[in-house]
Amino acid sequence: IQMTQSPPSLSASIGDRVIITCRASQRVGSYVNWYQQTVGKAPRLLIYASSTLQTGVPSRFSGSGSGTDFTLTISSLQPEDFATYFCQQSYGDPTFGQGTRLEI
Amino acid sequence: EDQLVESGGGLVAPGGSLRLSCGVSGFAFSEFEMSWVRQAAGKGLEWISYISGGGDVTNYAASVKGRFIISRDNAKDSLYLHMSALRAEDSSVYYCVRERRDEFNFPSFDFWGRGIMVTVSS
Repeated sequence: IQMTQSPPSLSASIGDRVIITCRASQRVGSYVNWYQQTVGKAPRLLIYASSTLQTGVPSRFSGSGSGTDFTLTISSLQPEDFATYFCQQSYGDPTFGQGTRLEI
Repeated sequence: EDQLVESGGGLVAPGGSLRLSCGVSGFAFSEFEMSWVRQAAGKGLEWISYISGGGDVTNYAASVKGRFIISRDNAKDSLYLHMSALRAEDSSVYYCVRERRDEFNFPSFDFWGRGIMVTVSS
């Protein structure tokens, strides 16, 4: 199952609302997770099962979607949010999107 | 505090072998499924192998099947990845990853080690 993320990169400012999308090559139900990775660090789980916020993740992050189309929304960008974001499907053998680099 | 600490990485010649280890602390290791995920420099994430909590079920990505073997020792709270017939394209940071299933059995990678670098080069 291929996961296609868009855009590959995105420039935004503090306080902006940002939406990242992910499309699966086949229907995956709600089996999509989202991760954040800052430079030199391991990925961090943000959202699982398409829309459930992982414990400790700020509420400005939200996820939605089912079937083949999914979105990650950051409602008001904070300085620590500038990172790379990956979607991942867990319906079959896990596969990740290619990432979206969020830049200032 | 939950911890996953990888070790055993380094430089290896093409065709060589290496064994990665992941030491676990802070949680009941035997109750969790585990995976290895790798990331080539400047690239995305690639899941490569899975093992069940008891170690009786394993799975591999096509890119490593037949060359890599995942195993675990629950008595030692340790996860392993035996890598053989290594190729230049196996050069990556390798992450030890815990898999969690929620109450509806949705799986996710909820905790990651810091990663260990493997470089395959002559």
